[in-house]
Amino acid sequence: SQQGEEDPQALSIQEGENATMNCSYKTSINNLQWYRQNSGRGLVHLILIRSNEREKHSGRLRVTLDTSKKSSSLLITASRAADTASYFCATKTSGSRLTFGEGTQLTVNP
Amino acid sequence: ETGVTQTPRHLVMGMTNKKSLKCEQHLGHNAMYWYKQSAKKPLELMFVYSLEERVENNSVPSRFSPECPNSSHLFLHLHTLQPEDSALYLCASSQGDYYTGELFFGEGSRLTVL
Repeated sequence: SQQGEEDPQALSIQEGENATMNCSYKTSINNLQWYRQNSGRGLVHLILIRSNEREKHSGRLRVTLDTSKKSSSLLITASRAADTASYFCATKTSGSRLTFGEGTQLTVNP
Repeated sequence: ETGVTQTPRHLVMGMTNKKSLKCEQHLGHNAMYWYKQSAKKPLELMFVYSLEERVENNSVPSRFSPECPNSSHLFLHLHTLQPEDSALYLCASSQGDYYTGELFFGEGSRLTVL
């Protein structure tokens, strides 16, 4: 069964607002990764957080990981129209390959 | 530019045609992957090659035939496809199979089967 599930499925905000996307998973992980996909394009890796890390930052991105709740969140601060894309979480467990969720479609309105 | 190049970007084919998708990576990676992305579905892992050897085939129909002639190139040969095979096909690479780090994806090949 699918390991990572994103919530919400779709999110629409105004430019300048913050966007928060959540990912829940079922089994213990080695790491959790977030990817971005512009419409009809390939996935681009954004950030990786290991199971022993709780928070990580990269530019306007902030990722948190709560292994007790088996969940992660991706926060994009001060969003821009160019942030409009689908965002996927992917989980890595021992002995298995990366498993992707269905994604959150983010629309940032100018 | 991720270092993974896929051609063609768009392909329209009939159910009786034979075509191929090509993927090339310039990253010196040892593992290459084919994924299928259909609307409203998670990415589906189709095939994995590690050091040019196929190490995973996720119950993919035989009308999809992968080929990995060397560690930099990966092909997906297509024949007698069905309309439900229309999707975005993504190639990816990584430093090694079961690598714990990131995957590098190509831009994808959008396939439409008529």
